[in-house]
Amino acid sequence: KNQVEQSPQSLIILEGKNCTLQCNYTVSPFSNLRWYKQDTGRGPVSLTIMTFSENTKSNGRYTATLDADTKQSSLHITASQLSDSASYICVVSVVGSNDYKLSFGAGTTVTVRA
Amino acid sequence: GAGVSQSPSNKVTEKGKDVELRCDPISGHTALYWYRQSLGQGLEFLIYFQGNSAPDKSGLPSDRFSAERTGGSVSTLTIQRTQQEDSAVYLCASSLAGRSDEQFFGPGTRLTVL
Repeated sequence: KNQVEQSPQSLIILEGKNCTLQCNYTVSPFSNLRWYKQDTGRGPVSLTIMTFSENTKSNGRYTATLDADTKQSSLHITASQLSDSASYICVVSVVGSNDYKLSFGAGTTVTVRA
Repeated sequence: GAGVSQSPSNKVTEKGKDVELRCDPISGHTALYWYRQSLGQGLEFLIYFQGNSAPDKSGLPSDRFSAERTGGSVSTLTIQRTQQEDSAVYLCASSLAGRSDEQFFGPGTRLTVL
């Protein structure tokens, strides 16, 4: 069973609308959580990173939240643009000598339509 | 460019053939990672190189998979006697030092085994 679960699997929204993506994780001990954006045919690019003590982090129209108690994170996209169409991947890093090992969610595919 | 590059971008091969995938990390990055991304799945860790240390090969799915990193820079991932289930996108990433550092991904090599 994947230790990082994302929902929804995919969604379609109209340009200008907002949307929220969810990430639930079970990995521990927790080091940090990143959200990546992966455009079609490209490698993932980091959007935000949050450590255990951070609750929210913004990057332009992207805002990530983290609740370490419930092990949930969300990524909110405000005023979506066509260029936001991509796969968004939640990645959790585990503390320890092997903390370069990351647990990846399967991603949420977002399609923004005009 | 200054990013991670991978070649080829696409590779179509016949079952049973060997393939080599190449990764050029960002100059100065000591850590290098290989991942496999199958449709609808999260990224699957394959192998990790850190400086002159012995690589972490714990993610390699079978002994048909191997990787090397020459001179602490370029890396090649070799898949021998390819099988149809090897079809996936193979992503390479590098990071400055490894421990919790941001990983920068290449565009990937899409491998199709017929």
